[in-house]
Amino acid sequence: DIVMTQSPLSLPVTPGEPASISCRSSQSLLHSDGNNYLDWYLQKPGQSPHLLIYLGSNRASGVPDRFSGSGSGTDFTLKISRVEAEDVGIYYCVQTLQAPTFGQGTKLEIK
Amino acid sequence: QVQLQESGPGLVKPSQTLSLTCAVSGGSISSGNYYWSWIRQPPGKGLEWIGYIHYSGSAYFNPSLKSRVAMSVDTSNNQFSLRLVSVTAADTAVYFCARRLKVEHSFDFWGQGTLVTVSS
Repeated sequence: DIVMTQSPLSLPVTPGEPASISCRSSQSLLHSDGNNYLDWYLQKPGQSPHLLIYLGSNRASGVPDRFSGSGSGTDFTLKISRVEAEDVGIYYCVQTLQAPTFGQGTKLEIK
Repeated sequence: QVQLQESGPGLVKPSQTLSLTCAVSGGSISSGNYYWSWIRQPPGKGLEWIGYIHYSGSAYFNPSLKSRVAMSVDTSNNQFSLRLVSVTAADTAVYFCARRLKVEHSFDFWGQGTLVTVSS
């Protein structure tokens, strides 16, 4: 299994400030087709997860441009340029190169 | 807009079989571009992929659950199902169904989830 490790696990942020979440995989997620099979999801309180970023850096439909994903191989980052109150929830990275495995989740809260 | 809706018993006894169905609306389950997936989340914990199935019948399961899991597709009713046998309290979770893109591998639409409790 590919193990996914997120940090930090808790992230208090002041509205308007940036935020960054790291995700590391135990094996490279870079496929020979050039894609990194790494997605980011946000699970808002009481809701199901929804897709934010796919293939490492592609914003899903309807996702605000303050969200961005970067990285390659084993190290990935989700950045929020200016956090808003509606961004609270738990952020998960997941690798889909092999049998999907999720990170532990990062809980973003507003200071 | 695609919508997915899980249904099934909210309470299952230990050693029995958990059975859930996911109804898909707003799109055809017979499209070759998707895999139909199950993911679960124990109360207060993270997400665990259970498996996914293509409308053709090809399926892939989490190795840790493979011996206890079965999935099926019902194209006539545009729905797919999960069966998990020999359940224990550790199988208590919110069960989500989701659509997985065949090319990008991402889960782009999710159901709202249904809580299944394993208890006598």
